Amino acid sequence: QVQLQESGPGLVKPSQTLSLTCTVSGDSISSGNYYWSWIRQPAGKGLECIGHIYTSGSTNYNPSLKSRVTISVDTSKNQFSLKLTSVTAADTAVYYCAALNRGKDCFDPWGQGTLVTASS
Amino acid sequence: QSVLTQPPSVSGAPGQRVTISCTGSSSNIGAGYAVQWYQQLPGTAPKLLIYANTNRPSGVPDRFSGSKSGTSASLAITGLQAEDEADYYCQSYDSSLSVWVFGGGTKLTVL
Repeated sequence: QVQLQESGPGLVKPSQTLSLTCTVSGDSISSGNYYWSWIRQPAGKGLECIGHIYTSGSTNYNPSLKSRVTISVDTSKNQFSLKLTSVTAADTAVYYCAALNRGKDCFDPWGQGTLVTASS
Repeated sequence: QSVLTQPPSVSGAPGQRVTISCTGSSSNIGAGYAVQWYQQLPGTAPKLLIYANTNRPSGVPDRFSGSKSGTSASLAITGLQAEDEADYYCQSYDSSLSVWVFGGGTKLTVL
């Protein structure tokens, strides 16, 4: 079955760029079965969709983050990535990558999540 | 302030039945978009419990069930067990915001 694993720095300085990668196994990222997604969760708070990318390269971003977000895909490595610019303390959260199933409109499966702290 | 509104907490004794509500609007649940439910155990990633309003993925016990009516949806858990203590989130799509949205989450305590 599909499995996802996030990787990237756990600490980012304010005003700098947060960069994370999600490695997909168990399916080709080009299969067309999923929208490859990023979701975040600040400590003790709820879930927020950041955006997703389809195998064609088309993207959809949360309007509240759109000016700072870029999601890209590397089919040769079966990975997709997140970049969030000009981070502040408010961007400190656990970041999850997840597969948005196109047929069922649900996020399944999820990666285990990675904590990113924005601090100097 | 979440687009989908859930009660912050619910509780029940072992063996009892509890329900968790998820209230949306005409741009999400009321527009016909499907509702999903996720269970998040402490320190872990959310896990899909219900998709397309009422469907359980394989491996999810039939103690969990979902329903939808109008601009709201509900998750019911029967035969409550200690292992059900977790946070539960509803999720749908909002056409006004053009983004997938989650409820604020409900913490279930098994007394």
